[in-house]
Amino acid sequence: GAGVSQSPSNKVTEKGKDVELRCDPISGHTALYWYRQSLGQGLEFLIYFQGNSAPDKSGLPSDRFSAERTGGSVSTLTIQRTQQEDSAVYLCASSLALSKDTQYFGPGTRLTVL
Amino acid sequence: AQSVSQHNHHVILSEAASLELGCNYSYGGTVNLFWYVQYPGQHLQLLLKYFSGDPLVKGIKGFEAEFIKSKFSFNLRKPSVQWSDTAEYFCAVTAKGNTGKLIFGQGTTLQVKP
Repeated sequence: GAGVSQSPSNKVTEKGKDVELRCDPISGHTALYWYRQSLGQGLEFLIYFQGNSAPDKSGLPSDRFSAERTGGSVSTLTIQRTQQEDSAVYLCASSLALSKDTQYFGPGTRLTVL
Repeated sequence: AQSVSQHNHHVILSEAASLELGCNYSYGGTVNLFWYVQYPGQHLQLLLKYFSGDPLVKGIKGFEAEFIKSKFSFNLRKPSVQWSDTAEYFCAVTAKGNTGKLIFGQGTTLQVKP
């Protein structure tokens, strides 16, 4: 079956603009995770969803970042008033359930803030 | 807080050489341990994982890792590397009973010379 897909694959934006990044998890996967991969910080956890709820938002860097998930499937990560330090690859992963199941990663969205 | 440390940032080997990549984690409780690999231009994918049982875990493509609880280590090994093993390798940990969010090490870039 299809893997995790993310769109867009690349996004270039100007500082101060808002961006939306989309993740389509593997069908049937109830858990969904967002991570960020940047040169200075490596791979960082941002947020996870179990179904449509997000019990752990501890990794979101600031209140400019938000995420939602609808219908237990597609998730959107929104960054408001983007800053240059937001430039990174944003990765989405999904798993059948929490904790013990393998997380399958998407190809990522490369965000560049000019 | 949990953290993961990978000691080797960049490793260069010739084909057929043996590989060992170090990984240590900092967490007092029970953990799940993972090695992920990212081949050039590809998604992050799981190499192997340890949840419980035999501390010597075998993964794909001839890789194995050994969990040594007393040393908080989970080193990755391969007896004979191939040029196709050129990639970035990430060690990661989740706390048992946790949400499954992965805490990653900084990654090790492996370059195998033909």
